[in-house]
Amino acid sequence: DVKVTQSSRYLVKRTGEKVFLECVQDMDHENMFWYRQDPGLGLRLIYFSYDVKMKEKGDIPEGYSVSREKKERFSLILESASTNQTSMYLCASSFSGGTDGETQYFGPGTRLLVL
Amino acid sequence: GQNIDQPTEMTATEGAIVQINCTYQTSGFNGLFWYQQHAGEAPTFLSYNVLDGLEEKGRFSSFLSRSKGYSYLLLKELQMKDSASYLCAVRGQSSGGSYIPTFGRGTSLIVHP
Repeated sequence: DVKVTQSSRYLVKRTGEKVFLECVQDMDHENMFWYRQDPGLGLRLIYFSYDVKMKEKGDIPEGYSVSREKKERFSLILESASTNQTSMYLCASSFSGGTDGETQYFGPGTRLLVL
Repeated sequence: GQNIDQPTEMTATEGAIVQINCTYQTSGFNGLFWYQQHAGEAPTFLSYNVLDGLEEKGRFSSFLSRSKGYSYLLLKELQMKDSASYLCAVRGQSSGGSYIPTFGRGTSLIVHP
């Protein structure tokens, strides 16, 4: 079974703090993604990575950065947290190529509250 | 850009059949996915369509018409545990040239006795 883990289920931070969200997958997937999910807005892509040290901006990259130094790990960084970044953050990974259309496997999510 | 539209909420009765529609506009279509997400949990994969037609998997089926930019998820013999959000995701070409999935806002399905 594919396993995608995220470093925290719940996180409370203060405005202006630097926040690190970690995601690890154990299936040697090339592709990794960071989404945020807000009521009424669905899943919105922040950044994705299709290889080590490679990244591409998604739909809402402002205020975020990412790091992918190893294939299994994809980190999301909030340089200076703001209250409008309070959200559920979901990490996903997928295998590049293959017959499943690159089905995504999701982590359990991190619910971040910025005060 | 990509635009995906699905109803916000649907209700149905246990044992019945429900159809959740998804319409989309995308550049470089390369597959459509349906995911199920229970409250407080991560989305899980249900189905994948890349060619026109119906894909059946137990109580769940998914249909695709590429020419119409249309898909539906059909759930038969509804059970209470099917109460969840159903996400339609379309894989298309990003501005950077990569193929990535874009999600609709999800359809919240409520199954009542």
